[in-house]
Amino acid sequence: EAQVTQNPRYLITVTGKKLTVTCSQNMNHEYMSWYRQDPGLGLRQIYYSMNVEVTDKGDVPEGYKVSRKEKRNFPLILESPSPNQTSLYFCASSPDTHNEQFFGPGTRLTVL
Amino acid sequence: GENVEQHPSTLSVQEGDSAVIKCTYSDSASNYFPWYKQELGKRPQLIIDIRSNVGEKKDQRIAVTLNKTAKHFSLHITETQPEDSAVYFCAALLLTGGGNKLTFGTGTQLKVEL
Repeated sequence: EAQVTQNPRYLITVTGKKLTVTCSQNMNHEYMSWYRQDPGLGLRQIYYSMNVEVTDKGDVPEGYKVSRKEKRNFPLILESPSPNQTSLYFCASSPDTHNEQFFGPGTRLTVL
Repeated sequence: GENVEQHPSTLSVQEGDSAVIKCTYSDSASNYFPWYKQELGKRPQLIIDIRSNVGEKKDQRIAVTLNKTAKHFSLHITETQPEDSAVYFCAALLLTGGGNKLTFGTGTQLKVEL
């Protein structure tokens, strides 16, 4: 089954404790992206990747890191999480930028 | 960078009526405009998209129009049904130097009442 998976789906953590949210797709897509969704603000792009080893900042990259060592994986890293990073995070992938993005199920993160 | 404004933030219609959601974008270099639907507790899913070389696109009860000169695009849903109730997001793709950044609007909560 073609899909985008994210783990964990829910996470409660404390300020400053490094965490990684994994994202994996099995559709051989070139383009992958991370978004955060907050009430009233819609979906905001954090980072995106055009291909392996190619990543670029979206609109809200501060406090986040990503890597794209393999085509199928695009982990999101929070080196020192803060309460303002409490949000719903979505990973997405698509064959290219001018095509449908397939979203993962979302990760709800709470930073205390 | 790109800025996408979406209106209205909430929209309530009677079943069978039409619904229109409007978006404006700031960067004339944007060339791809998708619309996503997000049902409560679910992930966003693409419902229709349009490229900058096309003025209108239809798919059954859904249509999107694009006015490049005015830098705005709209989603039209006809004969609305209760299952159309959801949050709808517009987006604009900007080709930056060496990259492609997708900017979303803030969403429209559509409620279709019986």
